[in-house]
Amino acid sequence: AQSVTQLGSHVSVSEGALVLLRCNYSSSVPPYLFWYVQYPNQGLQLLLKYTSAATLVKGINGFEAEFKKSETSFHLTKPSAHMSDAAEYFCAVSDGRDGNKLVFGAGTILRVKS
Amino acid sequence: KAGVTQTPRYLIKTRGQQVTLSCSPISGHRSVSWYQQTPGQGLQFLFEYFSETQRNKGNFPGRFSGRQFSNSRSEMNVSTLELGDSALYLCASSSQGRYGYTFGSGTRLTVV
Repeated sequence: AQSVTQLGSHVSVSEGALVLLRCNYSSSVPPYLFWYVQYPNQGLQLLLKYTSAATLVKGINGFEAEFKKSETSFHLTKPSAHMSDAAEYFCAVSDGRDGNKLVFGAGTILRVKS
Repeated sequence: KAGVTQTPRYLIKTRGQQVTLSCSPISGHRSVSWYQQTPGQGLQFLFEYFSETQRNKGNFPGRFSGRQFSNSRSEMNVSTLELGDSALYLCASSSQGRYGYTFGSGTRLTVV
């Protein structure tokens, strides 16, 4: 079975500061990992994905994440927070097989202070 | 390329009624998945369809059902609605799971 743990249900940063959202996963097979962002009353938007190629993955809006197998982690970072980054972020894992589901973490709400 | 379209965006239903939600995937995507999002349970997988066949199902009661049509459009149905069914229902489409899933904006269902 697969699972995802997101450390910190709420993270607050100042505008211009580093954003770090933590995600640890559990998977019995090589995982496929995803970060999604959700704005209020919206669906989920894919930020980036790890699909067993490069361990450092770059996504949209300046976000990136590094896959660390030894730590079973896939933390999301952005060097400089912008007010528009305020949203809820979800980490998800899949075994990549067609038909299989995404297993989501509980989400982290990012607040950006001016 | 048009995204995933879900209709309606908002629904209010009474306990005991049934409801049908619709999802049109991205053109060319043959896989459609459904998820339920609630504050208490988070995002939970309902089921996935590919070429009109259900390939996978989550742990939900039989009141939750779905289907997929030959044009890949999908519907989900919830019968005998309960207050706890109030949620945001999200549809996602994919060409292949490992490439990621594109989500629609969701249908907000409120059961009163």
